[in-house]
Amino acid sequence: DIVMTQSPVSLPVTPGEPASISCRSNQSLLHSNGYHYLDWYLQKPGQSPQLLIYLSSNRASGVPDRFSGGGSGTDFTLKISRVEAEDLGVYYCMQSLQVPRTFGQGTKLEI
Amino acid sequence: QVQLRESGPGLVKPSETLSLTCTVSGDSVTSGSYYCSWIRQPPGKGLEWIGFIYYSGSTSYNPSLESRVTMSVDTSKNQFSLELSSVTAADTAVYYCVRDGGGEGLDVWGQGTTVIVSS
Repeated sequence: DIVMTQSPVSLPVTPGEPASISCRSNQSLLHSNGYHYLDWYLQKPGQSPQLLIYLSSNRASGVPDRFSGGGSGTDFTLKISRVEAEDLGVYYCMQSLQVPRTFGQGTKLEI
Repeated sequence: QVQLRESGPGLVKPSETLSLTCTVSGDSVTSGSYYCSWIRQPPGKGLEWIGFIYYSGSTSYNPSLESRVTMSVDTSKNQFSLELSSVTAADTAVYYCVRDGGGEGLDVWGQGTTVIVSS
C-alpha cells in the first residue's frame, strides 16, 4: 500500500493569514498520463468530507480560488491564501494512483 | 444534482454481517461515469477506503478487509450495497458511500451512516 503522511497534525491559524499543509507519499503518484493522482479533502465538523482538489492541482467545482494545490512526485502541498472561519476542520490528502486508495492521517486546521 | 444516501441497521452484533445500501438519486448508476466507493471513519479517527464497485459489477477491495467484504449493485433500484461479515467492535464507524470519479476525485459523498458493533 502507498503510505500517505501529512504535516502538521494540527495547524493553528489566524483568519486572513495564509496556511499550508504538506502531504508526502512513500512512492511517486505520477501516472503514465502525466498527472499526479493526489486529492485533497476537507471535513468540517459534523459533516461528510468534501472534495477540494483533484489530480494534485485542480480545484473541484465550487471550491474558492483561495485554495490551491501543487507538488509533484511524492511531495504535495495544499495552500490557503487567506484563511476564513469556514475553512476550519480536518484536511486529508488521498492517493488514487493505486488500490487500495489511502489517506493521510489528517491535519486539523484550528484557531 | 446527484445525491447518495446510505441506509441500514445502526447496531450490529459481533460476528454478524453488516449490510448497508447506498441509494443514488439525480443520476443513473449505469451512466458509467463513476464508481461507488465505500469509505469508513471510526469514531475520532481518519478515513479508510473499503473498496469500490462499478455498475457492471466489477469490484476492487482493500486487502485488509477483502476476506470479509462483498459489494454489489442493483441497477433496477439504482442502488449499491455493502456487506461486511464477521464484524467486531473495530468495525464500529461512520460508513460513507461516495461517487468515485477515479482521477477526478471522490466528488459526491453521502451523509454517512453510523454503525455500532455491540452485543
